[in-house]
Amino acid sequence: GIQVEQSPPDLILQEGANSTLRCNFSDSVNNLQWFHQNPWGQLINLFYIPSGTKQNGRLSATTVATERYSLLYISSSQTTDSGVYFCAVAAGNEKLTFGTGTRLTIIP
Amino acid sequence: GAGVSQSPSNKVTEKGKDVELRCDPISGHTALYWYRQSLGQGLEFLIYFQGNSAPDKSGLPSDRFSAERTGGSVSTLTIQRTQQEDSAVYLCASSLKLAGTDTQYFGPGTRLTVL
Repeated sequence: GIQVEQSPPDLILQEGANSTLRCNFSDSVNNLQWFHQNPWGQLINLFYIPSGTKQNGRLSATTVATERYSLLYISSSQTTDSGVYFCAVAAGNEKLTFGTGTRLTIIP
Repeated sequence: GAGVSQSPSNKVTEKGKDVELRCDPISGHTALYWYRQSLGQGLEFLIYFQGNSAPDKSGLPSDRFSAERTGGSVSTLTIQRTQQEDSAVYLCASSLKLAGTDTQYFGPGTRLTVL
């Protein structure tokens, strides 16, 4: 099956800093989503982005499908951005395969 | 409702008992998915329902796991003769399955603890 690798596994930043999270995948995909899992365990949709670039406030994402990677950018980090960020992909079927996540900690 | 809902939020059971977990998808969403999140295995797919098609059960870890979706809406995941390794957070998601977008929206999960 498809493999999904996320980096870095852990990231600790001061409030106000910018960050880039990476997701590499091993095959062509027809679905790629970024999620934020908050401290209560809820998976919050950030982007549906199998290709191209999207922006939503301080967050943006870019997927380069031909090179099989996606990047999530967080600018001007806030403490509420802390949590685990997951990339998940689907390749020719409906089931999402998740990466192991990046744990982001924002220090005030 | 506005989002996917799941019940119960927490379930503690004894090894060998059967449990039922419920998922109410977003109204109008034709696709429904079950995943689980455990410390050792991360987030993994279990089963997928789409309309009246036969479900994709390829992620179910054993024949103790089964799921049904009644009337194209509510789904129930049943685990028979629970084992300690079944302890995990069980997540349900739904999607609208429109051309050009297939965003899956997740519920808050049911935390299952098998003693």
